[in-house]
Amino acid sequence: AQSVTQPDIHITVSEGASLELRCNYSYGATPYLFWYVQSPGQGLQLLLKYFSGDTLVQGIKGFEAEFKRSQSSFNLRKPSVHWSDAAEYFCAVDQEYGNKLVFGAGTILRVKS
Amino acid sequence: NAGVTQTPKFQVLKTGQSMTLQCAQDMNHEYMSWYRQDPGMGLRLIHYSVGAGITDQGEVPNGYNVSRSTTEDFPLRLLSAAPSQTSVYFCASRPGQGRNEQYFGPGTRLTVT
Repeated sequence: AQSVTQPDIHITVSEGASLELRCNYSYGATPYLFWYVQSPGQGLQLLLKYFSGDTLVQGIKGFEAEFKRSQSSFNLRKPSVHWSDAAEYFCAVDQEYGNKLVFGAGTILRVKS
Repeated sequence: NAGVTQTPKFQVLKTGQSMTLQCAQDMNHEYMSWYRQDPGMGLRLIHYSVGAGITDQGEVPNGYNVSRSTTEDFPLRLLSAAPSQTSVYFCASRPGQGRNEQYFGPGTRLTVT
């Protein structure tokens, strides 16, 4: 069965520092991969997605992610974190052509000033 | 467009009660789904629908019913609420036709006592 692993439950970074959130997936075919962000008490907002083509994808709010097939990874990065980036981040992989998203457990990002 | 809307935002039930969580979207999306979110587990798929009149089970369907009589609405029914169903429930939709990203509603927080 497909699975998504986010190894870090919590990450704390200083405002202005760079950020990398890790995501590893288990999936036989070429995956569709997503990163979502959830602010406290809110729904999920799509940050970016990878379907095919260029392995470095750009998203909203200055985020980017790189798909590495050899490592089964899709890590999320941001060069300079802002206090408003504090939230929970979810990596997800698509099964069945979009019908069944499988989510990782999430990484809670804290930003210290 | 209002996007994906869910009602109610909060609900408290007693064990054994039934209720329906409402979900509607005004984007003419073919596909709709229900997820539940529990701490440390990410989101898990309950049921999904690829179009009016077509539904299928996800990862955790037991105790829940769905139907899709219109493109816009996708209600989730709890038949006999149990404390294990205490969770935050999210409805999502996606356009179909090769577009795999899902758009999430704001969620319903359900507590079963």
